[in-house]
Amino acid sequence: QVQLQESGPALVKPSETLSLTCTVSGGSIKTNYWSWIRQPPGKGLEWIGYIFYTGNTNYDPSLKSRVTISVDTPKNHLSLKLTSVTAADTAVYYCARYFESSGSLDYWGQGTLVTVSS
Amino acid sequence: QSALTQPASVSGSPGQSITISCTATSSDVGSYNLVSWYQQHPGKAPKLMIYEVTRRPSGISSRFSGSKSGNTASLTISGLQAQDEADYYCYSYTISSTYVFGTGTKVFVL
Repeated sequence: QVQLQESGPALVKPSETLSLTCTVSGGSIKTNYWSWIRQPPGKGLEWIGYIFYTGNTNYDPSLKSRVTISVDTPKNHLSLKLTSVTAADTAVYYCARYFESSGSLDYWGQGTLVTVSS
Repeated sequence: QSALTQPASVSGSPGQSITISCTATSSDVGSYNLVSWYQQHPGKAPKLMIYEVTRRPSGISSRFSGSKSGNTASLTISGLQAQDEADYYCYSYTISSTYVFGTGTKVFVL
């Protein structure tokens, strides 16, 4: 059973960089694609992007200039970096396994709330 | 890219059937069979309920079914139960080779 766990700072200052890690257990990060999704408080889900372990990525156009998703195969984890954050980036951030052939997100982490505030 | 449009809320009595629609402004939904649906209870992570428009993951009740007509996908919940009260989101591959979520629908069991 694949399990995912997000971790990182809960508070980030405006204009700084948000950095999160998603640790994958119960399976190799090399066998699938992986995604990041976020959900502002009281709002809907937003797709951020995905990555394959080879480094192939795809990002939401509205975030593309500020976001980087990467993988660390020895540590079996993926990372999210979002630069120049504002209050609008305050959200619960989820990582999920992206099953490419079906276009679905079948395993999710529990999510981590990141607040952007000075 | 614009989110897929879903009704803000849908309600039904226990035992009834309800349907949630998911409409794209472009041909995103209509061009591909890569539409999935997620259930989210308060404070919890989303859970995959339907993938590839009509397919159910192992362990998901047959009360949940999906369909598609043109640029609109739909999720039907039959035999509505109290535990079905949650938020539901559609999710689709787009013609821009990215993904987009629906606006979300809150299901109330009366």
